[in-house]
Amino acid sequence: EPEVTQTPSHQVTQMGQEVILRCVPISNHLYFYWYRQILGQKVEFLVSFYNNEISEKSEIFDDQFSVERPDGSNFTLKIRSTKLEDSAMYFCASRTGALTDTQYFGPGTRLTVL
Amino acid sequence: GESVGLHLPTLSVQEGDNSIINCAYSNSASDYFIWYKQESGKGPQFIIDIRSNMDKRQGQRVTVLLNKTVKHLSLQIAATQPGDSAVYFCAERRSSASKIIFGSGTRLSIRP
Repeated sequence: EPEVTQTPSHQVTQMGQEVILRCVPISNHLYFYWYRQILGQKVEFLVSFYNNEISEKSEIFDDQFSVERPDGSNFTLKIRSTKLEDSAMYFCASRTGALTDTQYFGPGTRLTVL
Repeated sequence: GESVGLHLPTLSVQEGDNSIINCAYSNSASDYFIWYKQESGKGPQFIIDIRSNMDKRQGQRVTVLLNKTVKHLSLQIAATQPGDSAVYFCAERRSSASKIIFGSGTRLSIRP
């Protein structure tokens, strides 16, 4: 069964450093998402991406964040200058083009900012 | 504002019994609801969904009930097994939007 994959599973970085989190969505999916989950809290929407552009973003997704689909398979989230409060699990999700379709989530990348 | 919330943060159930996890939502514009299961260290896993034009939907061992009058959603798990131990999130989406809004989660633990 196809699934969303994410790398790395755990990323440790120093405050102020740039990080890139990578995702490979399910191959026939057209909509891509990033969510984050701070330890012990609920999952929060960050950004949605369709047709090579951001379709929606939350207030969390400020100028320090960017997303890119550099090729036909990868979808990345970049944080330019990490802060301590960026420490969280970051989940990638994807779905087909049908509005009725469910989003399928990857296993997540745990980001630890020191 | 919009919010999706859960009545109970933890639920302990005897193995073999049925589990019922409840959720309240406040956005009457929501027309699509989903239940996700999250095991420790993993991403949310889709369990079942329901559209606002339905009040009940059944899957394998799971049933979702939707009461739009009181903006209430529930997940019923039949014959709860140890593998059902996880945090369960209800979530909502409006058909005009793409993002999913998650509730705060209920931890389900199973007693042997």
